[in-house]
Amino acid sequence: QVQLVESGGGVVQPGRSLRLSCAASGFTFSSYGMHWVRQAPGKGLEWVAGISFDGTNEYYPDSVKGRFTISRDNSKNTLYLQINSLGAEDTAVYYCAKGRGYFEDWGQGTLVTVTS
Amino acid sequence: AIQLTQSPSSLSASVGDRVTITCRASQGISRTLAWYQLKPGKTPKLLMYDASSLESGVPSRFSGSGSGTDFTLTISSLQPEDFATYYCQQFNSYPLTFGGGTKVEIK
Repeated sequence: QVQLVESGGGVVQPGRSLRLSCAASGFTFSSYGMHWVRQAPGKGLEWVAGISFDGTNEYYPDSVKGRFTISRDNSKNTLYLQINSLGAEDTAVYYCAKGRGYFEDWGQGTLVTVTS
Repeated sequence: AIQLTQSPSSLSASVGDRVTITCRASQGISRTLAWYQLKPGKTPKLLMYDASSLESGVPSRFSGSGSGTDFTLTISSLQPEDFATYYCQQFNSYPLTFGGGTKVEIK
């Protein structure tokens, strides 16, 4: 069955950077677009990045463009999210999700807490 | 960006009730809409895609309808395990966007 396991979250100071990872298994990773979605405490869901199956196309909302970079290594079945210049507004649970537009499968999430 | 407005933002209902949640898009999105269920501490769950296609394994008491700008998610007979927060999401165009959520609580 599909498994998506995120890692890399933690407590980080404002202004620092962080790289999240998502290890995928149970499906042909190189055939699917992948995404990152976050949920801040007490808030709703927010899509923050997407990448095509082969990594040639990346998509971001304006709210994170220039600070977030999504990437993938199809040889390692792993998705990444690089977050730079972290601010308090980036405190959230970050989920990786599989899908071509809607999100068929989700990981359990990794918590990022930005605090001094 | 396409805005999705869900209503109500919360509702109280009893087991066995019929519940309807509405999602309105700021522009036409054909049928490129999905619905998700979120429970605290659990992984989000896809319920519906393409507005009315039931995801495998989702109980048939869930149904979806609509196209263009107006969509609904209906739970025909609310069960105890259905108390959760529900989100709509459009995949017609980037940036992908979610509605604000509807929290379904026990009356």
